[in-house]
Amino acid sequence: GAGVSQSPRYKVAKRGQDVALRCDPISGHVSLFWYQQALGQGPEFLTYFQNEAQLDKSGLPSDRFFAERPEGSVSTLKIQRTQQEDSAVYLCASSLAILAGSYEQYFGPGTRLTVT
Amino acid sequence: RKEVEQDPGPFNVPEGATVAFNCTYSNSASQSFFWYRQDCRKEPKLLMSVYSSGNEDGRFTAQLNRASQYISLLIRDSKLSDSATYLCVVNMQTGGFKTIFGAGTRLFVKA
Repeated sequence: GAGVSQSPRYKVAKRGQDVALRCDPISGHVSLFWYQQALGQGPEFLTYFQNEAQLDKSGLPSDRFFAERPEGSVSTLKIQRTQQEDSAVYLCASSLAILAGSYEQYFGPGTRLTVT
Repeated sequence: RKEVEQDPGPFNVPEGATVAFNCTYSNSASQSFFWYRQDCRKEPKLLMSVYSSGNEDGRFTAQLNRASQYISLLIRDSKLSDSATYLCVVNMQTGGFKTIFGAGTRLFVKA
């Protein structure tokens, strides 16, 4: 009964570097979400997958952010040419519901990204 | 205006107190509503779903008023362990799908 796992837990990147953040959702969960959480704020929605389909990416802050879930399980959030304003905790959540309209989201521990 | 707004907090209350949190949302297409709890440096965890009829879970009561686009959470007989940030959450489906979190309200319960 493993929960959502994320790796790495901590990442320090120099400005301009590319980073890749991984999320392993709970087995069998159809829906997967990525969020960005700045200090003292609530999580900000980035993108949503239903299986391998990315159904909403309206929250991605720029074209430097890219997410994929090619086989409908593991997902990767990639940030190209990182900037200091990208420093935040990146949370992944998964949900059992196909439509994800009303079901609980289970969160991973997050990846804390610091861009220097 | 933010899509989901919460009381700014922090709330500092003594053990045993009753405390109420409010939340308003701006998008009438909002479909489902939740309260999550987040401890310092931890991930959010679901506290309870919120229904129009109101729902109660032990010391916690949640209410939804769709006409006023308003959600509330009441905590009775506060415990030290209730100290956390409480996040109001709204799911909406408007073309795409997204989950919107409020900024959170910090609660400190003191002995």
